Amino acid sequence: AQSVAQPEDQVNVAEGNPLTVKCTYSVSGNPYLFWYVQYPNRGLQFLLKYITGDNLVKGSYGFEAEFNKSQTSFHLKKPSALVSDSALYFCAVRADTGRRALTFGSGTRLQVQP
Amino acid sequence: DTGVSQDPRHKITKRGQNVTFRCDPISEHNRLYWYRQTLGQGPEFLTYFQNEAQLEKSRLLSDRFSAERPKGSFSTLEIQRTEQGDSAMYLCASSRVEGRADTQYFGPGTRLTVL
Repeated sequence: AQSVAQPEDQVNVAEGNPLTVKCTYSVSGNPYLFWYVQYPNRGLQFLLKYITGDNLVKGSYGFEAEFNKSQTSFHLKKPSALVSDSALYFCAVRADTGRRALTFGSGTRLQVQP
Repeated sequence: DTGVSQDPRHKITKRGQNVTFRCDPISEHNRLYWYRQTLGQGPEFLTYFQNEAQLEKSRLLSDRFSAERPKGSFSTLEIQRTEQGDSAMYLCASSRVEGRADTQYFGPGTRLTVL
């Protein structure tokens, strides 16, 4: 079985400050990890993914994520938050073998204050 | 705009009625997925097609649910005898083979409300 935990329902950050959205996972085998963002009344937009190699993954809109195998974490980060980053963020995982279905966390709402 | 389209965007139906949703994937994407998302939760996997073959089905996909992808292009998801618990956003995603982990691109979803 695989699972994702996003321990924070909401993260508040001031514009211009760095942001972190936390994600931990559990999977049998090696993980493939993904971050998606969801704006109101829209589908999920892909931000970035980790497959293998460099633990720091760079993605769209200035976001990056750090894979930590020992802590089974894949936290999303951005050096300087924008008000337009305010949205719902989902972390997802699947194993490198077997099923292709993604397992998603429950989401973290990011609120960036001007 | 990811390129995956879904129709309709909204559907309101009465309990016991049948509903059908359509998904058109990104052109040349041979993999297609259906997920369900309820308020305050992340998407939950329902089923997966590679071309026209349905290769994975979740236990969430009860006998009342059926999905097809007859020509390996668009897909339909039908729910028979709808129940209030079926109210959710139904998301479709598509991907192409790209090495070790293809990226799933999502459509805008169909919001189902069962009265």
